Amino acid sequence: DTAVSQTPKYLVTQMGNDKSIKCEQNLGHDTMYWYKQDSKKFLKIMFSYNNKELIINETVPNRFSPKSPDKAHLNLHINSLELGDSAVYFCASSPGRSNSPLHFGNGTRLTVT
Amino acid sequence: AQSVSQHNHHVILSEAASLELGCNYSYGGTVNLFWYVQYPGQHLQLLLKYFSGDPLVKGIKGFEAEFIKSKFSFNLRKPSVQWSDTAEYFCAVSRMDTGGFKTIFGAGTRLFVKA
Repeated sequence: DTAVSQTPKYLVTQMGNDKSIKCEQNLGHDTMYWYKQDSKKFLKIMFSYNNKELIINETVPNRFSPKSPDKAHLNLHINSLELGDSAVYFCASSPGRSNSPLHFGNGTRLTVT
Repeated sequence: AQSVSQHNHHVILSEAASLELGCNYSYGGTVNLFWYVQYPGQHLQLLLKYFSGDPLVKGIKGFEAEFIKSKFSFNLRKPSVQWSDTAEYFCAVSRMDTGGFKTIFGAGTRLFVKA
């Protein structure tokens, strides 16, 4: 059983397009996250949702819009894709307590051409 | 600025060599500390964590880390590395922020172990 699953695994698209990445967790966790990992492997938090409520929104262009239909799902929609959006996007979940580690999905490698 | 710093960006070792990867953080107050590993082409996995108690914590695959509060450090160690330890290692700090708990990652250390 995959605990945190993301789709698609790879996404290649052209500048200006709109695309979505989906994430689902079956761990019963209350909190879900999106992280962006750039080409230098640097991981930066983008968003966090707790029980469908947005609780962390870092300085991310408003072309990025997360949506959480229920606490087991957190999707990421990106409008007007730019070259700089190319990265690996990781979804993660946790029970929400600060001493709880994050459980990561396998990542979505987005390439914008 | 508050941050998590990993001192070594790239480390190359021969098998059986000892490993120590440095991590310092600059957050005040209560924090929880983690080391994650990312094998090539895979997602991040937890190696070990510290939140209270014995400052020397043991994780999976023979890794351990020591929390030194006075130095704001949480260095990762392994007495004898193997080729299969080749991976990217991330130190992370979790703390309460406006809205909820936030986990901040260091820039990562790429370890290459020569067979």
